[in-house]
Amino acid sequence: TQLLEQSPQFLSIQEGENLTVYCNSSSVFSSLQWYRQEPGEGPVLLVTVVTGGEVKKLKRLTFQFGDARKDSSLHITAAQPGDTGLYLCAGENGGSQGNLIFGKGTKLSVKP
Amino acid sequence: GAVVSQHPSRVICKSGTSVKIECRSLDFQATTMFWYRQFPKKSLMLMATSNEGSKATYEQGVEKDKFLINHASLTLSTLTVTSAHPEDSSFYICSASIGASYGYTFGSGTRLTVV
Repeated sequence: TQLLEQSPQFLSIQEGENLTVYCNSSSVFSSLQWYRQEPGEGPVLLVTVVTGGEVKKLKRLTFQFGDARKDSSLHITAAQPGDTGLYLCAGENGGSQGNLIFGKGTKLSVKP
Repeated sequence: GAVVSQHPSRVICKSGTSVKIECRSLDFQATTMFWYRQFPKKSLMLMATSNEGSKATYEQGVEKDKFLINHASLTLSTLTVTSAHPEDSSFYICSASIGASYGYTFGSGTRLTVV
């Protein structure tokens, strides 16, 4: 069974601080996606990484896919209260379309 | 961009009744849609893959007779929770993709409460 361990589960920081969320697995994924979910809403895709070692930037968010495609990280620089939310990583196995393996999520709270 | 609309957003029903949830792709055709279930403080779990014009593929442990899926057109999939029980109360979310490496677009979810 493929599992994605996401850490930390909760994170409360002050505005302006930096943070990193980690997603780790013993399995290889064909792609890994990061989503943000607001309470009572479905997840919204932030980024998809498909190549080992790939780094993608989305404004203050930097996403990295591990060389072996087993892990990923999300780094937020100078966090703002608007970044508050639940961040989910999800790995996809190329042989099973749509069968995303989700991490349990990181609940981020950025205080002004 | 790809938009997936899910309806209703909230529903309360009595035990023993059935509830239908709709998932529509608004600006693209989706031959495949996916249904997830999310428990409080838990991750999303794939329930089934909905295939247009054919039977859905259910994940292990998901009762196909309880969770009926119909994908009659390229833009609509429905999930019917039959003979609902309180333990079926959960957040149900659908998703679809416009293509490989584009990621998945999720609906806004349906909060089902069975009383």
